[in-house]
Amino acid sequence: DAGVTQSPTHLIKTRGQQVTLRCSPKSGHDTVSWYQQALGQGPQFIFQYYEEEERQRGNFPDRFSGHQFPNYSSELNVNALLLGDSALYLCASSLKFVTPLHEQYFGPGTRLTVT
Amino acid sequence: ELKVEQNPLFLSMQEGKNYTIYCNYSTTSDRLYWYRQDPGKSLESLFVLLSNGAVKQEGRLMASLDTKARLSTLHITAAVHDLSATYFCAVDLNTGGFKTIFGAGTRLFVKA
Repeated sequence: DAGVTQSPTHLIKTRGQQVTLRCSPKSGHDTVSWYQQALGQGPQFIFQYYEEEERQRGNFPDRFSGHQFPNYSSELNVNALLLGDSALYLCASSLKFVTPLHEQYFGPGTRLTVT
Repeated sequence: ELKVEQNPLFLSMQEGKNYTIYCNYSTTSDRLYWYRQDPGKSLESLFVLLSNGAVKQEGRLMASLDTKARLSTLHITAAVHDLSATYFCAVDLNTGGFKTIFGAGTRLFVKA
């Protein structure tokens, strides 16, 4: 049973560029959430996708956008990169309507460095 | 706005000692999570706590939840070096979907 996978593992970009990160959820999961974790800090919720729509959003600017595909995989796009966007980007998958338990499984992350 | 506060933020302890990490959150929530993160790695789920008075134990770690006080604790018994990691608590803000808010983390170092 494949867990959550993310690609690429590491990425180096220049300020002003655009980046796309990819996530494949755990088999059977239909919901994908994205988090940004700056060095030494806790993960911060970016947004959540379910049924190919953004359902929840954290306090991130519109430069951060995403997409979910019919196979439940997801992309995170960041435009006009800033130095402050350097972080570990984590993808988590879950089943939206499993109640009362909402357990998220995290991928290994993509380390983005903006120079 | 939901806020999650952990303390201490850094903890250095001797092997064999006991200690407790505290997690306070500011608004009502249905779920509280504890995660472990090793340096450069992703998050590993430790516990999911769903109801007031819930207590879960796994090895040397025990987590509890008091929803009335909006407080969870992670108790470490007879610490060993392998427990050295960063521990995060996180709380779900249910607004039609699930928005999970994390604390800043407690960096635990167990000295051999």
